[in-house]
Amino acid sequence: ETGVTQTPRHLVMGMTNKKSLKCEQHLGHNAMYWYKQSAKKPLELMFVYSLEERVENNSVPSRFSPECPNSSHLFLHLHTLQPEDSALYLCASSQVSPSGEKYFGPGTRLTVT
Amino acid sequence: AQSVTQLDSQVPVFEEAPVELRCNYSSSVSVYLFWYVQYPNQGLQLLLKYLSGSTLVKGINGFEAEFNKSQTSFHLRKPSVHISDTAEYFCAVSFYGGATNKLIFGTGTLLAVQP
Repeated sequence: ETGVTQTPRHLVMGMTNKKSLKCEQHLGHNAMYWYKQSAKKPLELMFVYSLEERVENNSVPSRFSPECPNSSHLFLHLHTLQPEDSALYLCASSQVSPSGEKYFGPGTRLTVT
Repeated sequence: AQSVTQLDSQVPVFEEAPVELRCNYSSSVSVYLFWYVQYPNQGLQLLLKYLSGSTLVKGINGFEAEFNKSQTSFHLRKPSVHISDTAEYFCAVSFYGGATNKLIFGTGTLLAVQP
């Protein structure tokens, strides 16, 4: 595997379910990110992990819970979601540097029913 | 505060015609500029970037962009588009703030190439 991978690619879940999204980067980067992409809206940065520590949490509801066990893996744990949480969730990684370009995974298309 | 504006939400163009996608930014600090492309049902892919040096940068798939500091613009151009260029294009600015670098995206421009 190369680049940034995400599983699953598609997920349908009910509002009472608990599920997790997984992201893995094979680029040797030291920062990882979760973004939410909804139709007709700019990409929203949700969480940032730098050197395995969460350094940013942009007022994301507690029903989203990130986990970064090491520099290559990032999870997003989901529970009691709402229909408006349906979106494409994108994972990205980068080096922590002033110009650190981000590399994105293919995303997980989440539908909450 | 930093911001990115992509005024055109959609740009229709015929195949083999030239195209320009506009991007303007606002920032009180030095920034780095990027264009990303998103094909249907895929993640974002880096097209090109401006970090320093020559203001004309070339990217993949025949795209290029010019950094204009006085006009705070970073427009994307291609002299002749193909059907396969149909996708959403995002302009972004990056700056170093705190513990990591931050990337702010514009709202995207859908390039619709027609035969």
